[in-house]
Amino acid sequence: GAVVSQHPSWVICKSGTSVKIECRSLDFQATTMFWYRQFPKQSLMLMATSNEGSKATYEQGVEKDKFLINHASLTLSTLTVTSAHPEDSSFYICSATGQGPPYEQYFGPGTRLTVT
Amino acid sequence: GENVEQHPSTLSVQEGDSAVIKCTYSDSASNYFPWYKQELGKRPQLIIDIRSNVGEKKDQRIAVTLNKTAKHFSLHITETQPEDSAVYFCAASIGGNKLVFGAGTILRVKS
Repeated sequence: GAVVSQHPSWVICKSGTSVKIECRSLDFQATTMFWYRQFPKQSLMLMATSNEGSKATYEQGVEKDKFLINHASLTLSTLTVTSAHPEDSSFYICSATGQGPPYEQYFGPGTRLTVT
Repeated sequence: GENVEQHPSTLSVQEGDSAVIKCTYSDSASNYFPWYKQELGKRPQLIIDIRSNVGEKKDQRIAVTLNKTAKHFSLHITETQPEDSAVYFCAASIGGNKLVFGAGTILRVKS
């Protein structure tokens, strides 16, 4: 149980274009989903918290107009990187809570974004 | 806000030896402390966690200890094996079900 998927697993896009990443909880209803960014050899940095049916809460320093988050249902959250630039290249990982004890997060497999 | 410090940044041990990774946190309200193992290019995997009402927890070769007074917690891996080689992250809970992660420790187990 508690499986989280992400799609795509990797994507290459040109500078200036937008990319959408999906995060799905496959066997449970996720009350909250989190989006992280991880640069090479660095830790996971929380970008935003997403609750179904409400606006996402962004961490300090994260541009909400650049990283659009939509949590349309209890099993799906999407992250859209708008007008991507090479510095947005990173490993994006989502996680979800909702099943099990408080705070326990289940991570998706991540999406490797490369902006050329 | 919460700050989680993790040491060491790299750790090399001989197969069969023990490995210890330590973390400190700043927010006394934190009450959940998970440890994750991440292999290159893969998702973080929860290996053990501890809540503030417990001082120690063990699962086979892995154990975690928590000292709430000193605000630090540690991961202990005994009888290390080459497949234990990975990056390990500690984390501490903050409000809103969120976690703050340490910087990570690269563990290398030499055979």
